[in-house]
Amino acid sequence: NAGVMQNPRHLVRRRGQEARLRCSPMKGHSHVYWYRQLPEEGLKFMVYLQKENIIDESGMPKERFSAEFPKEGPSILRIQQVVRGDSAAYFCASSPQGSRGEQYFGPGTRLTVT
Amino acid sequence: DQQVKQNSPSLSVQEGRISILNCDYTNSMFDYFLWYKKYPAEGPTFLISISSIKDKNEDGRFTVFLNKSAKHLSLHIVPSQPGDSAVYFCAASTGNTGKLIFGQGTTLQVKP
Repeated sequence: NAGVMQNPRHLVRRRGQEARLRCSPMKGHSHVYWYRQLPEEGLKFMVYLQKENIIDESGMPKERFSAEFPKEGPSILRIQQVVRGDSAAYFCASSPQGSRGEQYFGPGTRLTVT
Repeated sequence: DQQVKQNSPSLSVQEGRISILNCDYTNSMFDYFLWYKKYPAEGPTFLISISSIKDKNEDGRFTVFLNKSAKHLSLHIVPSQPGDSAVYFCAASTGNTGKLIFGQGTTLQVKP
């Protein structure tokens, strides 16, 4: 059973460009979470999605950030008009049951904004 | 507002001895607690969890203790091994959405 897949592993964008981060959950998992880790900090919750639904986006910045988890295909975290402060490691986690239980993390995407 | 705190940024332990990592929380609504281990350039790996209805959970070399009245949990690793050297994060969640609130992490170094 393959683990959580994220791609790309490393992404370099210039200020003002768009970044798209993809996450494929573990087989059988329909709950996806996105977290961000800024340098020298812990992981911060961003958004929780189920198929075709955003359940909790309380951790998402109000502007430029969006997330989706379509019926078919991976979950996408999209950052428009990136700024240097967006440079971070973005982790996706999946869970079979959502409300309680372990979340299994992918390897992360390291975004660098130049 | 840091709801989950790991006050020790680092810990160094001799191989074979016990490692004790600590975590404090402020939100009494948290009802599920987890520990993750993280190596550089990798995602966190789940280690062990505990529900708020319990005060102890054990899995091999890892034991988590929960003291609800003190809003404190700890992870015991015994015996510690050099391969345990990593950053350890505690995390907490409520039953609503399961989103995890993480502490800042503690870097454990196990010396041979």
